[in-house]
Amino acid sequence: TQLLEQSPQFLSIQEGENLTVYCNSSSVFSSLQWYRQEPGEGPVLLVTVVTGGEVKKLKRLTFQFGDARKDSSLHITAAQPGDTGLYLCAGRNSGGSNYKLTFGKGTLLTVNP
Amino acid sequence: EPEVTQTPSHQVTQMGQEVILRCVPISNHLYFYWYRQILGQKVEFLVSFYNNEISEKSEIFDDQFSVERPDGSNFTLKIRSTKLEDSAMYFCASSEAGGTTAYNEQFFGPGTRLTVL
Repeated sequence: TQLLEQSPQFLSIQEGENLTVYCNSSSVFSSLQWYRQEPGEGPVLLVTVVTGGEVKKLKRLTFQFGDARKDSSLHITAAQPGDTGLYLCAGRNSGGSNYKLTFGKGTLLTVNP
Repeated sequence: EPEVTQTPSHQVTQMGQEVILRCVPISNHLYFYWYRQILGQKVEFLVSFYNNEISEKSEIFDDQFSVERPDGSNFTLKIRSTKLEDSAMYFCASSEAGGTTAYNEQFFGPGTRLTVL
């Protein structure tokens, strides 16, 4: 069973602060996706990373895929209350399923004004 | 922007009853999926569907579950005889690519909250 461990589980910060959340596994992933989920809604895709060492930027969000494709991080600069939500990483296992996404439990981020 | 839609948003049913959850995937997508999320737990894969057949299913997807693409736009999940533990959010997703394509980006619908009493 491939597991994705996300840390921290909960994070509460003040507006303007920077933060990093992590997604780690002992398995290699062919690709990894980050989603954001609001309460009672579906996950919304933020980014996909595919190549080991890849860095992608989406405005104030920076995503990095580890060189070995076993881990990823999401860094938010100058967090805003609108960034509040559950951040999920999900991966497709290299050499395994071509279809199934394995999800982590998520990091619940609260940005206080 | 194209999006996955799901109906109903909330379904309440009695234990033992059949339910059908409906999804309209993004129109040019060829791969379709169902996931579920029990309250407070991870999103879990149920099944993937391509070219009118199941391409993969999890151990959760037992004989009580079935999927169908009854026409060119809808994709349905049927639970034949619901149990209390089937209560969860059910998400439909679709992707343009699948298989070994790395950019198998799956786009999720808003979900159907199923409550089994």
